[in-house]
Amino acid sequence: DAKTTQPPSMDCAEGRAANLPCNHSTISGNEYVYWYRQIHSQGPQYIIHGLKNNETNEMASLIITEDRKSSTLILPHATLRDTAVYYCIVRVNTGFQKLVFGTGTRLLVSP
Amino acid sequence: GAVVSQHPSWVICKSGTSVKIECRSLDFQATTMFWYRQFPKQSLMLMATSNEGSKATYEQGVEKDKFLINHASLTLSTLTVTSAHPEDSSFYICSPSGDLKNIQYFGAGTRLSVL
Repeated sequence: DAKTTQPPSMDCAEGRAANLPCNHSTISGNEYVYWYRQIHSQGPQYIIHGLKNNETNEMASLIITEDRKSSTLILPHATLRDTAVYYCIVRVNTGFQKLVFGTGTRLLVSP
Repeated sequence: GAVVSQHPSWVICKSGTSVKIECRSLDFQATTMFWYRQFPKQSLMLMATSNEGSKATYEQGVEKDKFLINHASLTLSTLTVTSAHPEDSSFYICSPSGDLKNIQYFGAGTRLSVL
């Protein structure tokens, strides 16, 4: 699976949009971009995933560049409960493939 | 999302004893089960992968005789930490995988403290 690079930490003010970047310059054509988050002492929570088109759900939006070498997770109106470690992972969707976690980005949302 | 139940959420045991962790997929059938381990301030590391009815495949450096995995049904898998030692203290997380539109869900985790 391709490797991802994320900033180790980011800060965001409550109510503002949080934009979390991820670089995956070696991504293959059949690899999807997944985002998970882990709130302290809990299991990871699925947020969103996509292949090449931008995606949006009730939690977040995922913007993937045209060359697919990077992506951005957008939390449109961050709340204190969004404080967590966010993981960007690339993975093929054939069979039941494991998720390989990197170090992620620690997002701190402050009042 | 899918419902995953992992028990216990927290366990303290004496060194040398064995601890069993259960992971259930409550509303889907888990053909594959992933077990992860997470040490403080570190990321999740995959320990092993098991398919229902088959022996588990362990990642390099993970002792198969120490971490026994049973995946006898499509809704239940167990991880037994045998002869636990303080260095086994960690956060263990299961992730059952089935036909869920390629989304992998996770249990809430089990924090193991070995005294």
